[in-house]
Parts: sequence; structure tokens; C-alpha cells
Amino acid sequence: DQQVKQNSPSLSVQEGRISILNCDYTNSMFDYFLWYKKYPAEGPTFLISISSIKDKNEDGRFTVFLNKSAKHLSLHIVPSQPGDSAVYFCAASRPDSNYQLIWGAGTKLIIKP
Amino acid sequence: DGGITQSPKYLFRKEGQNVTLSCEQNLNHDAMYWYRQDPGQGLRLIYYSQIVNDFQKGDIAEGYSVSREKKESFPLTVTSAQKNPTAFYLCASRQEETQYFGPGTRLLVL
Repeated sequence: DQQVKQNSPSLSVQEGRISILNCDYTNSMFDYFLWYKKYPAEGPTFLISISSIKDKNEDGRFTVFLNKSAKHLSLHIVPSQPGDSAVYFCAASRPDSNYQLIWGAGTKLIIKP
Repeated sequence: DGGITQSPKYLFRKEGQNVTLSCEQNLNHDAMYWYRQDPGQGLRLIYYSQIVNDFQKGDIAEGYSVSREKKESFPLTVTSAQKNPTAFYLCASRQEETQYFGPGTRLLVL
């Protein structure tokens, strides 16, 4: 049972344009969502998070949007830069789960020059 | 310079051998986690520890063991019972809802 889904294995975007990465979840008990960026053979780096009481959180070039009714969140990167090329993981946690994270399979973002 | 360190970066295991992966953090976090990543997949939880001298199994604990004798350290042993140990292993510690990761250890079977 895949509770967190990233349906696009890869995404290619022109440098300077907006990158939009999507994530869907099935468990309405999730109350906190996180995005991580990962380069090959390295650990994931925390990017941005959002609580279920909010619908938007912004940090520099990164914005996360949460649509609870659709059980959908998205990460917007504007403008996209070559260094943004990486795999992006969406993760979710429940308040009754000791903060365990449920992970999506990741989306590989490729920024084209 | 606070952070999470994992060693070694690469580790080779022979058939029937137990190997131990190190994870150390100086962030003063109580909770620590071990994940496994296989190609094209998300991270899967092996074991986690909320506090010293306590740990719980994650989704794929079979063939693995851990200890948590010190707050700073959470070593993972891959035992000979783990039939498919080749993977990238990631250790994390948690502050509030956010987990922070080490650089990972790649385990290969000879």
C-alpha cells in the first residue's frame, strides 16, 4: 500500500523556468509534509516543509502548496537553476506514528541549460 | 560544525559475514533512524530509536540489528540473515518533525 505517491519518475525543465513537482497521499491522518533533495550517493537534504494547518509555505525559490481536500501537495522551484538537478522526495508523517516518515519514490528533476 | 557522520562510505561484505555501519551525530537529537534505499525506490525504514537504550523495528527490520547505548551513536549491523544486503544505507536524526541525514554508506556483497 503506497501511501505517498510521486507519479512522475522524471521531469525536464528549461533553466530559468518554473519546476513543479507533485505528490499525492492517501492517508488523511498525515499532518506534516516535507520535501527533500538528493544527489546520487549522498544523503537527502531537507528543503522545505508544511503543516496541514497551512496551504502554502515559501522559502526563497521554493514554495510548497498543500491541497488537503485533494490530498495533493506540490513543490514549485522558481527560477530553476542547473544545481537544482537532483531527485526530489516527498515525505509525510502522522502525529501518532512517533514522527515516522512515509516516503514517495522520488522524481528526478533535470534542468536543461 | 554539527552534523551526522556515517562510516565507511563504501563497505564490502562476504557471504555469511556480519558487518556494522556507523552513525554518529553531534546535534543533540534524541531520535535516530536507519533507512535503506534501493534504485528507483523511496527510503524504507529499518530501525529507529526515540531515546537512548530504546529502539523499535521499522518496516524491513529482518536481518538487521541495532543498539543505542549513547545518544550520539546508533550503529546498524547487517547480519548474514539479510539475504539481499546490497543497498545504500542512510542514517538520520530528528529535530521536531524534521529528519536530517548523514552522507550514507553503500554496502556491496562480494
